[in-house]
Amino acid sequence: AQSVSQHNHHVILSEAASLELGCNYSYGGTVNLFWYVQYPGQHLQLLLKYFSGDPLVKGIKGFEAEFIKSKFSFNLRKPSVQWSDTAEYFCAVRSGAGSYQLTFGKGTKLSVIP
Amino acid sequence: KAGVTQTPRYLIKTRGQQVTLSCSPISGHRSVSWYQQTPGQGLQFLFEYFSETQRNKGNFPGRFSGRQFSNSRSEMNVSTLELGDSALYLCASSFTPGGDTGELFFGEGSRLTVL
Repeated sequence: AQSVSQHNHHVILSEAASLELGCNYSYGGTVNLFWYVQYPGQHLQLLLKYFSGDPLVKGIKGFEAEFIKSKFSFNLRKPSVQWSDTAEYFCAVRSGAGSYQLTFGKGTKLSVIP
Repeated sequence: KAGVTQTPRYLIKTRGQQVTLSCSPISGHRSVSWYQQTPGQGLQFLFEYFSETQRNKGNFPGRFSGRQFSNSRSEMNVSTLELGDSALYLCASSFTPGGDTGELFFGEGSRLTVL
């Protein structure tokens, strides 16, 4: 069974600091990788995804993630965070196409201090 | 266009009762998935339906069941409720595999409290 590990439970940053959230997955085959974000009081929404091709993917609101196959990692980055980035971030993996079953990590709560 | 709609948004039940949650997917979406979200376990996959057929099921006891109707609306049912069933239940809808963007569109969830 596949699993997803997010290294940090809670990250606290000041505005303008750089962000990197770690995500590792355990599955040896072809995977599709996702980062979802849940802003306070809102529903989960897609931040970015990787299916194939360029391992550096860009998402909404200045976020990007790099897929490193050899490390089974898909870390999320943002050069300069804003207070509005305060949210919970979830990494997820899907093994192959044809199914919408995602395995999620337990999430990383990001608090940005103005 | 309208998003994924879940009803009810909040509900309180007592142990032993049963509950039915409803999900209306985005118009045109044919796949509906259900997830349980708790602070300790995060998001855990319950089941996925496509064209009224259950395609995948997560590791939950048989007390958890679901179904999908011909209009793609879905319901999930939990019987003989336990305290540990208290959670946010999320529904997500997706395009058909022919238009697979891989993205799940989530509803705001139904928060179940079991007393």
